[in-house]
Amino acid sequence: GQQLNQSPQSMFIQEGEDVSMNCTSSSIFNTWLWYKQDPGEGPVLLIALYKAGELTSNGRLTAQFGITRKDSFLNISASIPSDVGIYFCAGYGSSNTGKLIFGQGTTLQVKP
Amino acid sequence: KAGVTQTPRYLIKTRGQQVTLSCSPISGHRSVSWYQQTPGQGLQFLFEYFSETQRNKGNFPGRFSGRQFSNSRSEMNVSTLELGDSALYLCASSTRGSYNEQFFGPGTRLTVL
Repeated sequence: GQQLNQSPQSMFIQEGEDVSMNCTSSSIFNTWLWYKQDPGEGPVLLIALYKAGELTSNGRLTAQFGITRKDSFLNISASIPSDVGIYFCAGYGSSNTGKLIFGQGTTLQVKP
Repeated sequence: KAGVTQTPRYLIKTRGQQVTLSCSPISGHRSVSWYQQTPGQGLQFLFEYFSETQRNKGNFPGRFSGRQFSNSRSEMNVSTLELGDSALYLCASSTRGSYNEQFFGPGTRLTVL
């Protein structure tokens, strides 16, 4: 099925470091969403973006909707051990007829 | 407010069998979407139900089907199971189907032997 290109696939960082991940698509999206999934749980929505160029924060998390509408970025500042998990981007737009398309995920590990 | 619940949490079946998974949405939510999550393909949309009607469908074979009841609870069925159907099946509910208002359940882990 159609997917977004999310990178990196995994990251192993030291506590306190900043983290960046991104998603790119060949299609234009009207909405970008970022989720986090903990083991044994379903994804939880972190940030939703609705407009090209939009920059939105949620605590230590900041996400941006790319101006081309084909990409999005998520930054986590001053990482802590509980940031461990899998982060997914997801996009929604008229070109994919109402379906939410997910990236492959970025697995984040934080060393205390 | 109780979250989205899915039953069973774990299931083991053999090839050729069929399986039914259940999802109870958050009270007041009328939209239920189903997703398949595998290591190879990631999260893929299966279908969405709203007020007992299928409103959207992903690119899965006809062996995958679903339904929604008048109390918004939903079931999905997979017939003639294949090894590749082994996955985590997630359901998500929302009031009207808006993705930014969607809450996911913990999933049902299906293993096909």
